[in-house]
Amino acid sequence: QSVLTQPPSVSAAAGQKVTISCSGSSSNIGNNYVSWYQQLPGTAPKLLIYDNSQRPSGIPDRFSGSKSGTSATLGITGLQTGDEADYYCGTWDRSLNAGVFGGGTTLTVL
Amino acid sequence: QVQLVESGGGVVRPGRSLRLSCAAFGFTFGDYGMHWVRQAPGKGLEWVAVVRYDGSDIYYADSVKGRFSISRDNSKNTLYLQMNSLRAEDTAVYYCARDLRGWFGEFSADYWGQGALVTVSS
Repeated sequence: QSVLTQPPSVSAAAGQKVTISCSGSSSNIGNNYVSWYQQLPGTAPKLLIYDNSQRPSGIPDRFSGSKSGTSATLGITGLQTGDEADYYCGTWDRSLNAGVFGGGTTLTVL
Repeated sequence: QVQLVESGGGVVRPGRSLRLSCAAFGFTFGDYGMHWVRQAPGKGLEWVAVVRYDGSDIYYADSVKGRFSISRDNSKNTLYLQMNSLRAEDTAVYYCARDLRGWFGEFSADYWGQGALVTVSS
């Protein structure tokens, strides 16, 4: 059981937009920055979004992040088949004094 | 460019120990916090431990507290994870990951190694 809650899977057609939610609590998302990671099959995770909404250099602006209260959202526009991957949200939990991840969301591009 | 290379993985019997290393290249290692994150086969990511840039602060996941120890040698640009009293449920790919900053109570990892597989089995 993950501390952060994500939908197990989402899907959308190529060229469309999809959003992935991440729900937590005041001890984690509510008071800490959220980051998002993409994990392509058989590879290490890659940072997509940090500090709730910032993109590292090299990450296209098709990827966006937002946070409201104790929830965060990853948005992906102009979906491509290469976006098919597992996506994880992560943050620090002040009660646990530990890093925490969501359970991961598998994106399928139809 | 930034590169993290893990080593030391392998097959180990339950109750035994193993030490992972993570060699860092392409950045000033002593300026950044470092994390270990693991992923059991077919499962999601699990954060394991963090060490501040200067080693002054360390935290562990409850699942490994008292059995695992994270450390760093800034003179050797190397991060370590000493794993004792290993259990079957510790079987996973272990990634070292660089914190976005020196680590001051947030969690964002901007660079990850390729991972080291640890299999705990009799």
